[in-house]
Amino acid sequence: GQNIDQPTEMTATEGAIVQINCTYQTSGFNGLFWYQQHAGEAPTFLSYNVLDGLEEKGRFSSFLSRSKGYSYLLLKELQMKDSASYLCAVMSGGFKTIFGAGTRLFVKA
Amino acid sequence: GAVVSQHPSRVICKSGTSVKIECRSLDFQATTMFWYRQFPKQSLMLMATSNEGSKATYEQGVEKDKFLINHASLTLSTLTVTSAHPEDSSFYICSARGGHMNTEAFFGQGTRLTVV
Repeated sequence: GQNIDQPTEMTATEGAIVQINCTYQTSGFNGLFWYQQHAGEAPTFLSYNVLDGLEEKGRFSSFLSRSKGYSYLLLKELQMKDSASYLCAVMSGGFKTIFGAGTRLFVKA
Repeated sequence: GAVVSQHPSRVICKSGTSVKIECRSLDFQATTMFWYRQFPKQSLMLMATSNEGSKATYEQGVEKDKFLINHASLTLSTLTVTSAHPEDSSFYICSARGGHMNTEAFFGQGTRLTVV
């Protein structure tokens, strides 16, 4: 079976750094995605990791450890507009992408 | 990134009627399209995967006779919700992927379906 776990909610302060963790168990692995989703809108792509290590893209970075079935999304210099849901999604061996329940991030002033 | 257009963005229909949602890839050929539904404050649940020219593969628990998926061309897939009921009210989102399987899928804008 497949299982993706991430915290339900997190709160952080504007200007701070926040790390959103994701653990997964899947049948085969072809990469892990992070998406941002604002309420009522479609998800937007943030990052894709298929090899172990850290991928940095501006204020956002994503890390993957395949042996541990673990990833995190790191958001730096938080802004109010970063308040959203962050979805961890894993592409299985059959190239099917399954989403976690999402982490709702609240950024406060 | 590539553009996926989903139409309509919102639709209200009467119980018992059918609704068709279109998903188009505007600037690339989508060999695979995915249909998801999302209930309030929940994540996206994969309903089915469709490859151009072949029958869709439905996830467990999704009624294929109720949610008809057609992927007749490399740029268009449609989802028809047949005999809609209020419990079908949800946010339906499509995503499309091009030739390389291990790349991101691009999402449509989503369709908010309300069945009254």
